[in-house]
Amino acid sequence: DQQVKQNSPSLSVQEGRISILNCDYTNSMFDYFLWYKKYPAEGPTFLISISSIKDKNEDGRFTVFLNKSAKHLSLHIVPSQPGDSAVYFCAARGRWVGGATNKLIFGTGTLLAVQP
Amino acid sequence: GAGVSQSPRYKVAKRGQDVALRCDPISGHVSLFWYQQALGQGPEFLTYFQNEAQLDKSGLPSDRFFAERPEGSVSTLKIQRTQQEDSAVYLCASSLEGQGSLSYNSPLHFGNGTRLTVT
Repeated sequence: DQQVKQNSPSLSVQEGRISILNCDYTNSMFDYFLWYKKYPAEGPTFLISISSIKDKNEDGRFTVFLNKSAKHLSLHIVPSQPGDSAVYFCAARGRWVGGATNKLIFGTGTLLAVQP
Repeated sequence: GAGVSQSPRYKVAKRGQDVALRCDPISGHVSLFWYQQALGQGPEFLTYFQNEAQLDKSGLPSDRFFAERPEGSVSTLKIQRTQQEDSAVYLCASSLEGQGSLSYNSPLHFGNGTRLTVT
């Protein structure tokens, strides 16, 4: 059972426009959410995170929104740049999910292509 | 080094061979994780160490998979009698804090992975 879902395998956006990447989760015990970015042949790199007690976190061009009632989060990139082209993974963790409390459960990823 | 280092970067094994994958975490990091990433999928949790203690091995797919971190720093993931379905990228990650820490939300830092191909 996939607890973290990214239903869009790919997204194409024009340079300068907004990119919106979506993520849904099923486990209400998750209390912390993260976005990772991955280039080919490299490991995922941390991008931005949000605690379940907040509904928005902003860092430069990147903003993450959390809607707990809908069990949905999104990553907004404004303005999008060609260097943002990568696979983006949504991840979640929870103290009471079971097993190691700081392990991450990942979605399947969304490939973002920013066209110049 | 400054980041998580994994070796080898690529490994080709014949079915039935044993392999050993190495991870050097960031110095001083308490937590160490192993993940498996199949083609087109997200990373899947395998196992977790806090210092030298293996606190969670719920993600190891079979008893052919074994991980250790004897001195609380370098870790090795061993796969015995490799099968074709073991072909994947194996990612190691570390974080400064252990579970239960007040700084619970420190992010994981990943290495570049080892791509294992079983023929």
